[in-house]
Amino acid sequence: GAVVSQHPSWVICKSGTSVKIECRSLDFQATTMFWYRQFPKQSLMLMATSNEGSKATYEQGVEKDKFLINHASLTLSTLTVTSAHPEDSSFYICSGGPAGTDTQYFGPGTRLTVL
Amino acid sequence: GENVEQHPSTLSVQEGDSAVIKCTYSDSASNYFPWYKQELGKRPQLIIDIRSNVGEKKDQRIAVTLNKTAKHFSLHITETQPEDSAVYFCAASRPPAAGNKLTFGGGTRVLVKP
Repeated sequence: GAVVSQHPSWVICKSGTSVKIECRSLDFQATTMFWYRQFPKQSLMLMATSNEGSKATYEQGVEKDKFLINHASLTLSTLTVTSAHPEDSSFYICSGGPAGTDTQYFGPGTRLTVL
Repeated sequence: GENVEQHPSTLSVQEGDSAVIKCTYSDSASNYFPWYKQELGKRPQLIIDIRSNVGEKKDQRIAVTLNKTAKHFSLHITETQPEDSAVYFCAASRPPAAGNKLTFGGGTRVLVKP
């Protein structure tokens, strides 16, 4: 299957700082990628759809000014958590898939801990 | 929007027995139903998927069935092994209209006891 990478795999930051997470498609081009958040022992909740060359589409209840998404190339989408607070601590996972296929492949996830 | 319900939330089986996980969805336009396996702290891995033009699909010990009329689909794992212990998620989407956006069920924690 296709390969999606994420960086960093984990990050610890102080409250009020911003954190950037990168999601890369390594062997396919992705015009669309998705960002999910997963709290412990819970399911994956879609946060936003990242669209290459245009604005991201956010799910209801997700603050677009807090979770900035940039999809500047066909292989890279970034999620920036601005002014992070402890309640933002979670596992953030991206996904993408080759054009013309239905399958979504997930990155390894980034565990964010905000102190 | 789409809503996916998944049952049971936990499932404990003896090694060698079968495990069945059921999901229901609300959007009749959904046409793609993948199942993912997630081990602790790792990414979800696709284990099998089914499209709405098919009623059943098998891959070795894993099978998925789909009932479009009732809007439910199920995962069947036969001859379970300890390495099948993980959290399993069902999902639904309606590509290409919704761009492969997945709505996940709540997950089932499967424990296979040796």
